[in-house]
Amino acid sequence: IAGITQAPTSQILAAGRRMTLRCTQDMRHNAMYWYRQDLGLGLRLIHYSNTAGTTGKGEVPDGYSVSRANTDDFPLTLASAVPSQTSVYFCASSDEDSTDTQYFGPGTRLTVL
Amino acid sequence: GQNIDQPTEMTATEGAIVQINCTYQTSGFNGLFWYQQHAGEAPTFLSYNVLDGLEEKGRFSSFLSRSKGYSYLLLKELQMKDSASYLCAVRDSNYQLIWGAGTKLIIKP
Repeated sequence: IAGITQAPTSQILAAGRRMTLRCTQDMRHNAMYWYRQDLGLGLRLIHYSNTAGTTGKGEVPDGYSVSRANTDDFPLTLASAVPSQTSVYFCASSDEDSTDTQYFGPGTRLTVL
Repeated sequence: GQNIDQPTEMTATEGAIVQINCTYQTSGFNGLFWYQQHAGEAPTFLSYNVLDGLEEKGRFSSFLSRSKGYSYLLLKELQMKDSASYLCAVRDSNYQLIWGAGTKLIIKP
C-alpha cells in the first residue's frame, strides 16, 4: 500500500440498506477525514478524526457514523442509505508538519436508488 | 457564514498563461490551499500560502492577500494535461478546510 486506499471504487445501493466505505492509509498520519463531493458544490466535511480513538462531526454528519480504532483505518458507515447520499466520497489524511496538508484517496462513487 | 468564491469555468489556449481567482470570507484564517482535480480522480495538492505574497513552484504560482481575502493561482506555459478543476480551500479558526466549488479549466490547442 502506498498512500490512501478506499473501497469499494463504486457501489449501487438500495435505499434503506447499510453500507460501510473503507479507508486505509499507510503514512502514519494522525488526522483523517471523510468528505463528500457533489456537482457544483465544494467538498463538504462529514466526519474527521484527529487521532486514533477520537472522532468529530463536520459540516454534514447526519446519516453517517465513523470509528477510528487504530491509526490506519477510518471506515464511514451509512446506517440506512437514502438517495440524497448519492455522491462521491473521499477519504483524506494529513501529516502534522507546518502546512498540515491533506492527501486524498481515490474516492468511492456511491449511488443510492 | 463562510464562503469561498471561484469562477465556475475558464478557457485558455495551450502555451498561454491563466490566472484563477479565489476570494474568501471565513471565520479566521490559518492558510490557503490550491488543489488540482482531474475528472474522475482525487484532488492533489498544488500549493499552500499562509503569508502574503507569491509562492512559485515551477509553472504554477500562488498569491495571497490576507487583507483582501484574495488569492490567485497562476499557470504558465499551459499544457493540455492542465485541463482539470482547480480547488481553493481555506483553513478556518477551527482548523477545518472550507472548500470552494472549484474552477474547471479547459485548455484548447
